[in-house]
Amino acid sequence: AQSVTQLGSHVSVSEGALVLLRCNYSSSVPPYLFWYVQYPNQGLQLLLKYTSAATLVKGINGFEAEFKKSETSFHLTKPSAHMSDAAEYFCAVSDPVSAVRGKLIFGQGTELSVKP
Amino acid sequence: EAGVAQSPRYKIIEKRQSVAFWCNPISGHATLYWYQQILGQGPKLLIQFQNNGVVDDSQLPKDRFSAERLKGVDSTLKIQPAKLEDSAVYLCASSPGLAYQETQYFGPGTRLLVL
Repeated sequence: AQSVTQLGSHVSVSEGALVLLRCNYSSSVPPYLFWYVQYPNQGLQLLLKYTSAATLVKGINGFEAEFKKSETSFHLTKPSAHMSDAAEYFCAVSDPVSAVRGKLIFGQGTELSVKP
Repeated sequence: EAGVAQSPRYKIIEKRQSVAFWCNPISGHATLYWYQQILGQGPKLLIQFQNNGVVDDSQLPKDRFSAERLKGVDSTLKIQPAKLEDSAVYLCASSPGLAYQETQYFGPGTRLLVL
């Protein structure tokens, strides 16, 4: 079964520093991949998604992610962290060979803290 | 464009009581999802509807959970009777169609505490 692993349940960076949140998937068939952000007491919002059109995907708020098939990874990065980036980030996969279209499998999440 | 609406936002109940959550998806979205998010974990899909038909309910504890989507618009999720382990945030999401790469739009969630 398809699964996704996010390394590090909590990441802390200083304001202005590089943000790197890790996501690895388990599948021999490249899935569709998503990054969602969840602010406190809110629902999830899509940051970006990989749909096989381009390996480097740019999203909202200056975030981007690169799909690396050889590493089965889809890490999320942002060159310079801002205080407003503090939130929970979820990586999710949609398996293109699944019998259920649209079903998302989420990682356990990474909480990002930004220090002034 | 209005987003996904959910109510109530918070609910506290005693174990063995029943509770119901309501979701109104984005207008025109054919697919509706209910997720359970336990503290410290990612969301887990409970049930998925396409219009008013069930696409997947393999992870729905059917002995206590039920859901319906009458007329293919609003949906309700019910728990009866509730257990302590049902304490979680229940998220509703919707999407225009049913493609593998479809973006899902989430509501703010209902936070349930079972005492």
